[in-house]
Amino acid sequence: GQNIDQPTEMTATEGAIVQINCTYQTSGFNGLFWYQQHAGEAPTFLSYNVLDGLEEKGRFSSFLSRSKGYSYLLLKELQMKDSASYLCAGADSNYQLIWGAGTKLIIKP
Amino acid sequence: DTEVTQTPKHLVMGMTNKKSLKCEQHMGHRAMYWYKQKAKKPPELMFVYSYEKLSINESVPSRFSPECPNSSLLNLHLHALQPEDSALYLCASSQDGGVYNEQFFGPGTRLTVL
Repeated sequence: GQNIDQPTEMTATEGAIVQINCTYQTSGFNGLFWYQQHAGEAPTFLSYNVLDGLEEKGRFSSFLSRSKGYSYLLLKELQMKDSASYLCAGADSNYQLIWGAGTKLIIKP
Repeated sequence: DTEVTQTPKHLVMGMTNKKSLKCEQHMGHRAMYWYKQKAKKPPELMFVYSYEKLSINESVPSRFSPECPNSSLLNLHLHALQPEDSALYLCASSQDGGVYNEQFFGPGTRLTVL
C-alpha cells in the first residue's frame, strides 16, 4: 500500500531550528514534496527532492534518502509566521501526490 | 501571472441546490486538479484533467461533476450534496502532471451544505 507518515504536532521556540521528519511508501517514486499550509489557506510549495541529499533554500532545507524512504524538512531561525501545518507528499509512479496528514508546527516566543 | 484563482470564496447551499465552483489559471499549465480537504486532514484528490481530458477520477460520487471548458478553466458542478460534503475545495494546476511538477494551489472555496 501507499503511506506517508509524519508527526502530528511539534512545538519549537522562535529563533531556534526544527526538523520535521517524513517516512514514505509509494507505488513507484517520482519525488518528495513539502508544502506549507496556514490555517484556512491553500498549501504553498516549499521544496521538491527526487535525488538523495540536501536541498537548501534560504531558511528552509529538505533532505531525502531514497534507500530509507525518509525525508526531513529543516527550518532555521524560526519566526512566528512559520506557525503552520507542513505537509509531506510523495509522487507515485503516475506522478500523483500521496499526502501525509501534516505536521502542525507551533512556534512559541 | 503565477496565480490560481477560485470563485466563490465561500458557498452555502442546501441539499437540493445546484451550484458550480470555478477555477482559473493563466500560467499555461496543462494539468488541473480538484481536491477536497476536511479540517486537520490532508487534501484528498478528486479529479485530474490533463490536456483538457479527465485522466483521473478517484471514485468520486456522481453528485460532483467536473468540467474543463479549456486549458485555463476548471469547473466543479455540484448537485444534491450531503452535509458531509462540507469542506474546503481546492483547485491546483501544474505544468503537465509529470515529473518535477509542483502543484500551484488556489485559495479554495469553503463549502457548507445545510
